[in-house]
Amino acid sequence: ETGVTQSPTHLIKTRGQQVTLRCSSQSGHNTVSWYQQALGQGPQFIFQYYREEENGRGNFPPRFSGLQFPNYSSELNVNALELDDSALYLCASRLGQPTNTGELFFGEGSRLTVL
Amino acid sequence: TQLLEQSPQFLSIQEGENLTVYCNSSSVFSSLQWYRQEPGEGPVLLVTVVTGGEVKKLKRLTFQFGDARKDSSLHITAAQPGDTGLYLCAGAGAGGTSYGKLTFGQGTILTVHP
Repeated sequence: ETGVTQSPTHLIKTRGQQVTLRCSSQSGHNTVSWYQQALGQGPQFIFQYYREEENGRGNFPPRFSGLQFPNYSSELNVNALELDDSALYLCASRLGQPTNTGELFFGEGSRLTVL
Repeated sequence: TQLLEQSPQFLSIQEGENLTVYCNSSSVFSSLQWYRQEPGEGPVLLVTVVTGGEVKKLKRLTFQFGDARKDSSLHITAAQPGDTGLYLCAGAGAGGTSYGKLTFGQGTILTVHP
């Protein structure tokens, strides 16, 4: 059984650019959520996907968007990058409906630096 | 907006000492989770507490959920260098889609010196 895998692990962008981060959920996990973790802070919820639809969103602007594919993998897209977007982006997956309280499994994250 | 205040933010102790990390909120959570995160890795779940007043033990770690389900604590007995890491508490909301949204505290960076 493979865990949550994310790509790329590190990337550097400049202000105004766009970025796509990818996540493969743990085998069989159909609910995927994304978190942003700034340096020295706890993760902050961006949004969650279930059955290819956004199912819950945190306090992030519309330039943060996502997708979930039929195989449950997911993408996080960020447009018009700002310096404050520099952070570790974590993907997490769980089995079952979003209202379940099952264990959340995190990937190792994608470290984004915006210059 | 649900917020979790975690304290202390930094802890630097000697091997063998005991320590307690606190997680407090004005909001009620349906459950509260504790995670440990090491550099370059994602958080790993240590425990989930669900019932007010619940106490769970994991070897030298003791977790407690407050009676009102607004606060929690993590106590480590006889800390070891291998306990070094970032400890995060996270609350799950009550009902609807908010179960999928975890509200994290800002974390406690624990360093245990040999």
